[in-house]
Amino acid sequence: DAGVIQSPRHEVTEMGQEVTLRCKPISGHDYLFWYRQTMMRGLELLIYFNNNVPIDDSGMPEDRFSAKMPNASFSTLKIQPSEPRDSAVYFCASSPKTGQGDGNTIYFGEGSWLTVV
Amino acid sequence: GQSLEQPSEVTAVEGAIVQINCTYQTSGFYGLSWYQQHDGGAPTFLSYNALDGLEETGRFSSFLSRSDSYGYLLLQELQMKDSASYFCAVRRGENNFNKFYFGSGTKLNVKP
Repeated sequence: DAGVIQSPRHEVTEMGQEVTLRCKPISGHDYLFWYRQTMMRGLELLIYFNNNVPIDDSGMPEDRFSAKMPNASFSTLKIQPSEPRDSAVYFCASSPKTGQGDGNTIYFGEGSWLTVV
Repeated sequence: GQSLEQPSEVTAVEGAIVQINCTYQTSGFYGLSWYQQHDGGAPTFLSYNALDGLEETGRFSSFLSRSDSYGYLLLQELQMKDSASYFCAVRRGENNFNKFYFGSGTKLNVKP
């Protein structure tokens, strides 16, 4: 498998614009996570899905953030409108079902580096 | 909620042994993981401990004491390529679902 695939890898956008980050998890994985990483706050769990269903979005910072998973192979994280403080690396990650061989392992994508100016 | 504490930075010389500690407070604790992240890269899985004791994988070992809410990552025979950030992460179980929360990371500097 190619691993978790994220796009875009880098994005620079102006404040107020809509940003859409995309993720393709590893085939067969039941869990999908969105994390945000900054120097100040480290790796924050924003939201996670199980079998395409959002389970916990308590980490989503504001209503400006939304995430969807329309099918098992695709998820999006949208920021509208974007603000400079949203600048961060956004990681998508996936994990197999608990109890399966490596169900305790999270596989991260390479991240989407977002800069809002 | 949950909290994890680990040192922000550690420096060691090539060939040495270094231990990175992690203390945690959380409900629904299932296990403790360690991840490595090189600058500009993605976190990659190193180890997972669900039970007390030491798990060894090559030059890296990880230890867990559930009663002390404490774990550590031990890196032996340090190499320059081990310079990276190391994160501990707790796996929490809530209503049969997994959640993984990460510490703030320890930056390891390996010097010649």
